[in-house]
Order: sequence, then structure tokens, then C-alpha cells
Amino acid sequence: DGGITQSPKYLFRKEGQNVTLSCEQNLNHDAMYWYRQDPGQGLRLIYYSQIVNDFQKGDIAEGYSVSREKKESFPLTVTSAQKNPTAFYLCASRGTGGTGELFFGEGSRLTVL
Amino acid sequence: AQSVTQLGSHVSVSEGALVLLRCNYSSSVPPYLFWYVQYPNQGLQLLLKYTTGATLVKGINGFEAEFKKSETSFHLTKPSAHMSDAAEYFCAVSDQTGANNLFFGTGTRLTVIP
Repeated sequence: DGGITQSPKYLFRKEGQNVTLSCEQNLNHDAMYWYRQDPGQGLRLIYYSQIVNDFQKGDIAEGYSVSREKKESFPLTVTSAQKNPTAFYLCASRGTGGTGELFFGEGSRLTVL
Repeated sequence: AQSVTQLGSHVSVSEGALVLLRCNYSSSVPPYLFWYVQYPNQGLQLLLKYTTGATLVKGINGFEAEFKKSETSFHLTKPSAHMSDAAEYFCAVSDQTGANNLFFGTGTRLTVIP
């Protein structure tokens, strides 16, 4: 079945460590997105990519990095510079044209110990 | 710029009662509007969307929403709440510019009381 796969589902990290969250899609979508979700704050856009080898910062990009070397993959690295990384991270994708509808993965919950 | 306001971060209804979740948007162009549902520790699932045409939109699980341009609203309703409707609901608007990004509201958590 087509969809978006995020891994790991749960991740624990010590302070000062970088961690990479995986996002893979087999929907043949051009655009991919990373959101951060905190209680009561909704979804905030971290980074997005509309095409391979290109990406743009969202509203809260500081302390995060991404790459888009393949159409199917859009990994997110949470660096040690991110001051408050504990959150639920959601990856999404969208096809070309259409009505802007996003398809979401199941999310990754990162906890910094 | 686009923005979305969801009135009420928490809504409680009795099982079988009407569900009404409010969403108001701000957009400088005709918007595309969406409602998503999120169950605990899961991703978001599309409930319904408005693009053009009929202003009353029907979605999955018996939900519907009406686009009211004069009120800049897109409220979500369901005639009779079920226990399985307990979740968090997000309203979103598309900016229809080059990036065509979605802007999300802060969400409304629905509790269904047996």
C-alpha cells in the first residue's frame, strides 16, 4: 500500500546528541514536509522540500537540518543546537497540483533525557 | 497571509449529541480548507476538504462542514457523537501561492461522554 513511513516511532536522546528521524514515501509525491507538534500549539512547520535537492526553512528551522537526495526520502536531523527538542514530529507529503492536501506519516516521538 | 483560528481548545459532548467544532480563517485569496483528525500518538488523517463548488462538504465518519465566505468560517459538525469520535481535530487553510503550504489551527480536543 502507498503511504508514508516514519521511523523510529519512539526515540530517546541524551542532551548534546544529534538524532535523525527517517521519513520515506512511496506515493511518488514531489513535496515533503516536517512539522513539530507540541501540546496546545498545533503543528509548526520546520522544513519543506518541493523537489529533490532543494528545501526551504519553515517557521521554526533553528536547530534542525534536512536533506532531499531522493524523491522518496526526507530525513530530519535534530541537532544539539535545538534547545527544546522533546516533541512529536510529523512528516507529510503532497503531490503536484491538486488542492494542497497533505498525507501524513504516523509520527515520531522524541524525548530528550 | 493565511491564518486559522479554532475556538475552544477542548470540547465535550455527550454520546449521541451534536458535535460542533468551530474554525475561522483569514485568507487574501479564495481558500482551500481542510479538517484533519488525529488519534493519540498517530498522524493526521483527512476528514474532508473544500476547494470549489458546493459549500457543504461531506467527509468520512459522518462529519460535514460548511464553507461560509461571508463569515469566513468552516465549522465541522456531526449530528450524533460516537465514543470513537474522541480525538483532536485540526482545521487548515491552503495559501494557494507558489509553495501552497497549509496553515493549521491549534486544534480542538473532542471528548465524548458516555
